[in-house]
Amino acid sequence: DIQMTQSPSSLSASVGDRVTITCRASQSISSYLNWYQQKPGKAPKVLIYAASTLQSGVPSRFSGSGSGTDFTLTISSLQPEDFTTYYCQQSFSTPRTFGQGTKVEIK
Amino acid sequence: QVQLQQWGAGLLKPSETLSLTCAVYGGSFSGYYWSWIRQSPGKGLEWIGEVNHSGSPNYNPSLKSRITISVDTSKNQFSLKLNSVTAADTAVYYCARVVPAASWNWFDPWGQGSLVTVSS
Repeated sequence: DIQMTQSPSSLSASVGDRVTITCRASQSISSYLNWYQQKPGKAPKVLIYAASTLQSGVPSRFSGSGSGTDFTLTISSLQPEDFTTYYCQQSFSTPRTFGQGTKVEIK
Repeated sequence: QVQLQQWGAGLLKPSETLSLTCAVYGGSFSGYYWSWIRQSPGKGLEWIGEVNHSGSPNYNPSLKSRITISVDTSKNQFSLKLNSVTAADTAVYYCARVVPAASWNWFDPWGQGSLVTVSS
């Protein structure tokens, strides 16, 4: 199985801050990497697929980059609704696997 | 707009069989894979498996011996059965569509989630 490791596990930031979350795969996955946002009590929602393509309807302050084993999710200017948990997921091979999550908290 | 609605028993005893169903509304059932994913505090998000409209499944090897994912195309539904459950199977279970685009794919949308608790 491909292991996905996110860092940090949590971070504290303020409204307006630029935030970067990292996801590392245990082997090369090309650009087969998706990012999800999950709010408490809700199902995850896709933000970015294929490493850098913004899902329709997702604000442009979210962006993704990377290929191979190292990927980043960047939020350019944190908004109050962005304080929640983010997950990466590889779609290179089955079993499909997720990172352990990064919780973005209010400083 | 495609919506997924899921249901099933929420409280099981050890050794019983978990059974969940997911109905697809507002979109095509064929041409997609349909997945089950679970989330527990201890193991995070875990992909259980998937099935296409023809009933061809792919399972997570870690669960393969205990799971069956099937489809009912007449009702636009797919189902999960997980037998011989233990406390380790306690989790929120989600159904989701696998969206394909060229060689890439992702999960969207997801069902609302079903909390399944295994306890004696």
